[in-house]
Amino acid sequence: GAVVSQHPSWVICKSGTSVKIECRSLDFQATTMFWYRQFPKQSLMLMATSNEGSKATYEQGVEKDKFLINHASLTLSTLTVTSAHPEDSSFYICSATRLAGEGRETQYFGPGTRLLVL
Amino acid sequence: AQSVSQHNHHVILSEAASLELGCNYSYGGTVNLFWYVQYPGQHLQLLLKYFSGDPLVKGIKGFEAEFIKSKFSFNLRKPSVQWSDTAEYFCAVNPAGNAGNMLTFGGGTRLMVKP
Repeated sequence: GAVVSQHPSWVICKSGTSVKIECRSLDFQATTMFWYRQFPKQSLMLMATSNEGSKATYEQGVEKDKFLINHASLTLSTLTVTSAHPEDSSFYICSATRLAGEGRETQYFGPGTRLLVL
Repeated sequence: AQSVSQHNHHVILSEAASLELGCNYSYGGTVNLFWYVQYPGQHLQLLLKYFSGDPLVKGIKGFEAEFIKSKFSFNLRKPSVQWSDTAEYFCAVNPAGNAGNMLTFGGGTRLMVKP
């Protein structure tokens, strides 16, 4: 299989603190990892695309200084929500691409991290 | 930029009823197509995918989807649903050969199957 884990699964923090979320591909090397945000009763919105060893590519409207992404290895990407505020409360989901051939990559999703900023 | 639309936001069916969830996309080129399922309290799981070849794709748990290029559609079907199919279903698209692999998701369809 292709298993992706996220840690922590949920976190509650005070406004102004920073929160780090880890995304790991457990049994495969991920060429690319993605970070999504899902608001209640809404679809996933892509925040950024992360490639190992290079800077992340952020989607329009996503503040790169607010959401720091580090892709340290082919199995680990981290998302840090800096100086979190209540409006950052959301469900953050990562996915990892398992290379299956050019243009045939499939994304496998982590279980998500629920962030609540008080 | 491509977009994906799922016309049914909520679907309620009785067990053994047939299911068809619509998915249409807008993109002029060749695409890869996916259906993901999210069971209550669980993460997204791949249900099935289409890259090329036979436009009728069979996935897990008795699901299938048909790619109709002329209609830009990739509808999900199941002949007889079960209570355990209660979940949210997402259609997703990315341009074929896209090294970035960015997926564009539809808005999702919440399926409730009554026992």
